[in-house]
Amino acid sequence: AQTVTQSQPEMSVQEAETVTLSCTYDTSESDYYLFWYKQPPSRQMILVIRQEAYKQQNATENRFSVNFQKAAKSFSLKISDSQLGDAAMYFCAYGPTGANSKLTFGKGITLSVRP
Amino acid sequence: DAGITQSPRHKVTETGTPVTLRCHQTENHRYMYWYRQDPGHGLRLIHYSYGVKDTDKGEVSDGYSVSRSKTEDFLLTLESATSSQTSVYFCAISSSGLSYNEQFFGPGTRLTVL
Repeated sequence: AQTVTQSQPEMSVQEAETVTLSCTYDTSESDYYLFWYKQPPSRQMILVIRQEAYKQQNATENRFSVNFQKAAKSFSLKISDSQLGDAAMYFCAYGPTGANSKLTFGKGITLSVRP
Repeated sequence: DAGITQSPRHKVTETGTPVTLRCHQTENHRYMYWYRQDPGHGLRLIHYSYGVKDTDKGEVSDGYSVSRSKTEDFLLTLESATSSQTSVYFCAISSSGLSYNEQFFGPGTRLTVL
C-alpha cells in the first residue's frame, strides 16, 4: 500500500519570505500523480498544485512550486513571497494511475505566517 | 466553486444513535467520495461511488455504510454512532476516477458523538 509521510507537523515563515514543506511517499509504481492541497481555517480543501510522475519538469503555479525527486520519492512544496493568506494546513497526496483511483493523504502540516 | 453541499454542517449526537450525512452535487460528476479528517491522520477515505448504486470501500469503512440512488446525492450512514466516529467528514467529487482529475471538496460536516 502507498504511504505518504509529512514529518513536520508545524512550520512558520515570515511574511514575504520563502518556505519549503516536505513530503515523502512510498510506492512501487512508476507512474502516478502527486498533489498539494491547502486547507485554510475555513476548512475548505483547495488544490494548490499537481505533479505527474512521468514529467521531469517541476510543476509551478504562480508563487507555488514543487521539487519532485522521483528516485528519492520526495515531493516538497515551495511557497515564495509568503503572504498572510498562505497560513493554512497543507496536505500532500498521492494518486495512482488507472480507473477508480483513490488518493492517499499525508497527515498534514500547519503553516503559520508571521507579519 | 464546484457545486457541492453537505448537510448538516454540524451535528451532535449520542452513542448508539443512527446518523446520516448527505452530500449533494450539481456538477453531474460520476465519482463521489467520503473522507474523514482527524488530527494526526490527515484525510482517510471511508467509501466512494463510481456511479449510481455503485460503491466500494475505502481505508476506514468499518461502521459506515453508503448509498447513492441518484447521481447528485451520496449518503453516509453511521448505523450506531460511536465516540471514535467523532470527526470532520468531507465529501468530494470528481468527473472521473482518474487521479489526474481534480477532486473537489465540500465544506465538511463536524460530527460529535457523545
